[in-house]
Amino acid sequence: NAGVTQTPKFQVLKTGQSMTLQCAQDMNHNSMYWYRQDPGMGLRLIYYSASEGTTDKGEVPNGYNVSRLNKREFSLRLESAAPSQTSVYFCASSYRSGRAPGDEQFFGPGTRLTVL
Amino acid sequence: GQQLNQSPQSMFIQEGEDVSMNCTSSSIFNTWLWYKQEPGEGPVLLIALYKAGELTSNGRLTAQFGITRKDSFLNISASIPSDVGIYFCAGQRTTTLTNDYKLSFGAGTTVTVRA
Repeated sequence: NAGVTQTPKFQVLKTGQSMTLQCAQDMNHNSMYWYRQDPGMGLRLIYYSASEGTTDKGEVPNGYNVSRLNKREFSLRLESAAPSQTSVYFCASSYRSGRAPGDEQFFGPGTRLTVL
Repeated sequence: GQQLNQSPQSMFIQEGEDVSMNCTSSSIFNTWLWYKQEPGEGPVLLIALYKAGELTSNGRLTAQFGITRKDSFLNISASIPSDVGIYFCAGQRTTTLTNDYKLSFGAGTTVTVRA
């Protein structure tokens, strides 16, 4: 039982390059989330998927796209990377969309992305 | 999401000391969560609070859900070296329209323990 896994762990891109961050969970959770973490800012929600087949924008969606491939997997794509997207990216999952106690979010180990 | 005001931003503590940190918001939350993040890792849930006034413990950690539902406190008793890390508060407010789950995070409190 690995929980939430993310690949890659580290990535360096040049401005304008594209890449996809992968996330998978094996906890049979319905909801999945992508956050970015910047110094002094806490975590900010980029996109989330309340259930398989649905995705919605979070607080900072510009420059990103997501795909909920199936119940287990939720990917984040940067189409044209910019230096402002240098950050640590975390994927999280929860059983449901926070409607009851026990719906807490569990986080992956993060992807450290640098855009030059 | 709304940013929460978390304080202090950082603290140096002596091993064995009790420490406190808090989180405040101008809005009401239904749930308060406290996470700990160690270097190179993702946040790990420490304590979850679901009712105003609730006081919950997890080992040496104690957290409280403020009566106004706009604040929460985390206390660590008898600090040890492995308490080093960044502690985040998070508030959740289920909207009546969408019933979707939105977490708002504080900026974190960095704890460093002096041996």
